[in-house]
Amino acid sequence: DAGVIQSPRHEVTEMGQEVTLRCKPISGHDYLFWYRQTMMRGLELLIYFNNNVPIDDSGMPEDRFSAKMPNASFSTLKIQPSEPRDSAVYFCASRSGTGGYEQYFGPGTRLTVT
Amino acid sequence: QKEVEQNSGPLSVPEGAIASLNCTYSDRGSQSFFWYRQYSGKSPELIMFIYSNGDKEDGRFTAQLNKASQYVSLLIRDSQPSDSATYLCAASFSGGYNKLIFGAGTRLAVHP
Repeated sequence: DAGVIQSPRHEVTEMGQEVTLRCKPISGHDYLFWYRQTMMRGLELLIYFNNNVPIDDSGMPEDRFSAKMPNASFSTLKIQPSEPRDSAVYFCASRSGTGGYEQYFGPGTRLTVT
Repeated sequence: QKEVEQNSGPLSVPEGAIASLNCTYSDRGSQSFFWYRQYSGKSPELIMFIYSNGDKEDGRFTAQLNKASQYVSLLIRDSQPSDSATYLCAASFSGGYNKLIFGAGTRLAVHP
């Protein structure tokens, strides 16, 4: 399997612009997670989906952030408008719901907002 | 506030020595614990999972869990320079394996 795929790998944008991060989970995995990692706050869970349905979005920092999962093989995390404090590495991860406990992380998207 | 705490390090050990990494957690309701390894510029990868009190061994790695004292540790025997990385401890809250709270990570440096 190709693993979790994220795009783009790097994104540089100006404050106020809309940013869309994309994720393709491992085929057959029922759970999809979005994380953010910064030096100050570490690795934080933003939101997770089960069978394409958002289950817990309590980690989403504010209304500027939104996430969707229109089908089992695709999810987006959107930031609108972006701010410099959103600069971070955003990871997507997926997990199998049938007997699997491991979350498999994608390579991440490094976002820089200037 | 549910928290997972780790010493940020760096923890420096000579090649061949045992590296001991520690983690404490605040929520007594936590059921499962994970150790992830993260190389610089890479994504986290799972190396150990433990949910029962006691020790769990996998190759050179041993995870130890003490729920009464609310701590988890990771021992790496015969440390190699390739083990140099940041080790993230995570606890699952609210049951299951989904809502993980990560510690800030301990940076390990193994020198030849």
